Amino acid sequence: DAGVTQSPTHLIKTRGQQVTLRCSPKSGHDTVSWYQQALGQGPQFIFQYYEEEERQRGNFPDRFSGHQFPNYSSELNVNALLLGDSALYLCASSYTENSGNTIYFGEGSWLTVV
Amino acid sequence: RKEVEQDPGPFNVPEGATVAFNCTYSNSASQSFFWYRQDCRKEPKLLMSVYSSGNEDGRFTAQLNRASQYISLLIRDSKLSDSATYLCVVRSYNQGGKLIFGQGTELSVKP
Repeated sequence: DAGVTQSPTHLIKTRGQQVTLRCSPKSGHDTVSWYQQALGQGPQFIFQYYEEEERQRGNFPDRFSGHQFPNYSSELNVNALLLGDSALYLCASSYTENSGNTIYFGEGSWLTVV
Repeated sequence: RKEVEQDPGPFNVPEGATVAFNCTYSNSASQSFFWYRQDCRKEPKLLMSVYSSGNEDGRFTAQLNRASQYISLLIRDSKLSDSATYLCVVRSYNQGGKLIFGQGTELSVKP
């Protein structure tokens, strides 16, 4: 049973560029959340997708957008990259939003903006 | 004020030591509480949930004080393999169930 998978694992982008990160949830999971973890900080919630809709959003600008597909996989898009966007981006999946079900994390995508 | 606050450490302890981590949270509506462990450059992994009655898993003991909005983790007989960052996490279903992380406390266990 595959866990949460993310791609790419590492990438380097230039300021002003756009990036797309991808996530496949754990089998049987329908809810995907994205978190940003800057160096030395805990993960910060970006947004959550359930039934192909953004259900919740953290304090992130509109440059951060996402999508969930019918197979529950998800993408995180960041436009107009800033140096401060350099971080580990974590995808987490669970079964059904807003429940007590366990959340599982992928290994993350390391983004470096230069 | 951050929603979840932890002492960032680092905590440097010898093998066999007992070490305690503390955490406070600000949202009294928080309903679930966890400790996650994160190894260097890896994803966070659930260490244990925290219950009001306190709970133990081997060398690890977690406590929750809802009145004080305080969570703790005690590690007894520290092992080299316990070296990691420990993240205090709360979850509020009135906030859609998202996880809210503290900044993490780094632990380094030395021989």
